[in-house]
Amino acid sequence: KQEVTQIPAALSVPEGENLVLNCSFTDSAIYNLQWFRQDPGKGLTSLLLIQSSQREQTSGRLNASLDKSSGRSTLYIAASQPGDSATYLCAAKANAGGTSYGKLTFGQGTILTVHP
Amino acid sequence: SQTIHQWPATLVQPVGSPLSLECTVEGTSNPNLYWYRQAAGRGLQLLFYSVGIGQISSEVPQNLSASRPQDRQFILSSKKLLLSDSGFYLCAWRGQGGHQPQHFGDGTRLSIL
Repeated sequence: KQEVTQIPAALSVPEGENLVLNCSFTDSAIYNLQWFRQDPGKGLTSLLLIQSSQREQTSGRLNASLDKSSGRSTLYIAASQPGDSATYLCAAKANAGGTSYGKLTFGQGTILTVHP
Repeated sequence: SQTIHQWPATLVQPVGSPLSLECTVEGTSNPNLYWYRQAAGRGLQLLFYSVGIGQISSEVPQNLSASRPQDRQFILSSKKLLLSDSGFYLCAWRGQGGHQPQHFGDGTRLSIL
């Protein structure tokens, strides 16, 4: 059974800092890994999706990396801004087939606060 | 572009009452559809998913049910709500095949009294 862990659970940084959020998963046989952002009381917004054959994906100030062999992914946020404050979740997608069908297993999230 | 709508945004219901939450997707056809529940401190739990009209798979046994009467409509229901059904319910969709990301609605906050 896939388990996804995110460290740290919460992070508070001053504006302008570069930061790294960590995600680890127990079963390396994933299809892809997705990073989401969730603002309080809202749904999830998809940030980046890394395919199992890829090492990283970039979108603006965000860069996500994937190391399947070690069961880890990181989300790097450059030059953080107060508007980046949110909960960040990672989710590992299982390979389709059997009973897994390709479901997403979510981590508990990292609560990020960027203060001015 | 594709959009996903969930309603209502908030709902307060007494124990034992019925439930119907609706989710619709626009701008795509034949999406995979999902219902999740997010409880405080417990992360996102997949409740149901659907790969087509009338095709529903349940992940967790419970007193909830789901239906997909139309291609882009997904409904979460209950005949009698329990206190433990309180939570934040999220609908999501994904395009068929390949490495398609999941996209979420804004959720429904359900409080059971």
